[in-house]
Amino acid sequence: QVQLQQSGPALVKPSQTLSLSCTVSGVSVSSISYYWTWIRQPAGKGLEWIGRIYVNGGTNYSPSLKSRVSISVDTSKNQFSLNLSSVTAADTAVYFCAREAILSSWSHEYTWFDSWGQGSLVTVSS
Amino acid sequence: QSALTQPPSASGTPGQRVTISCSGSSSNIGSNTANWYQQLPGTAPKLLIYKDNERPSGVPDRFSGSKSGSSASLAISGLQSEDEADYYCAAWDDSLSGWVFGGGTKLTVL
Repeated sequence: QVQLQQSGPALVKPSQTLSLSCTVSGVSVSSISYYWTWIRQPAGKGLEWIGRIYVNGGTNYSPSLKSRVSISVDTSKNQFSLNLSSVTAADTAVYFCAREAILSSWSHEYTWFDSWGQGSLVTVSS
Repeated sequence: QSALTQPPSASGTPGQRVTISCSGSSSNIGSNTANWYQQLPGTAPKLLIYKDNERPSGVPDRFSGSKSGSSASLAISGLQSEDEADYYCAAWDDSLSGWVFGGGTKLTVL
């Protein structure tokens, strides 16, 4: 059974870098069947996709965050990480890591978020 | 402003059938499948429907999904009190090369 366990500081100062990690158990982050994804949710608001990484190191980022985001994977620890630089109060949110399952046909790739971390509230404040 | 449009709220009485709509465009729902997530208060979202109308194991068949053109819908039949939650639709957007979500629909069981 897959589990995603998030870790990282709950408080980050403005202009600094937000860093979170997601340790995966029950499946290898090197599996070709999944992307590894970050999503956030400001208090009382909806979900916002941040970005994802594949086993080959390929990434996709939200256009609105692309200049500040970096997602990496550490196969030795079976975890993946999020770095968001130059944070402001607008980056205060609950951050979720998630596994994005892949189903490929000859013409299309279908994906969905089938497992989620517990969520980490990160507050940006001095 | 979310890329996918959902009604902010929906309601029904126990046993009733409710539907939640999700309107997108040709670059997201119109060309890719839609997924639905249920989020209970204070918890992480849970996959409810994937590939427009597929249910993961463990999700009751009271939940069903459909799609027509650039719009998707989630139907919940035999409404139960534990269905009270926020529901989100999501789809990959080819123009953005990223995922877009609906703003979420808060379902109240009266």
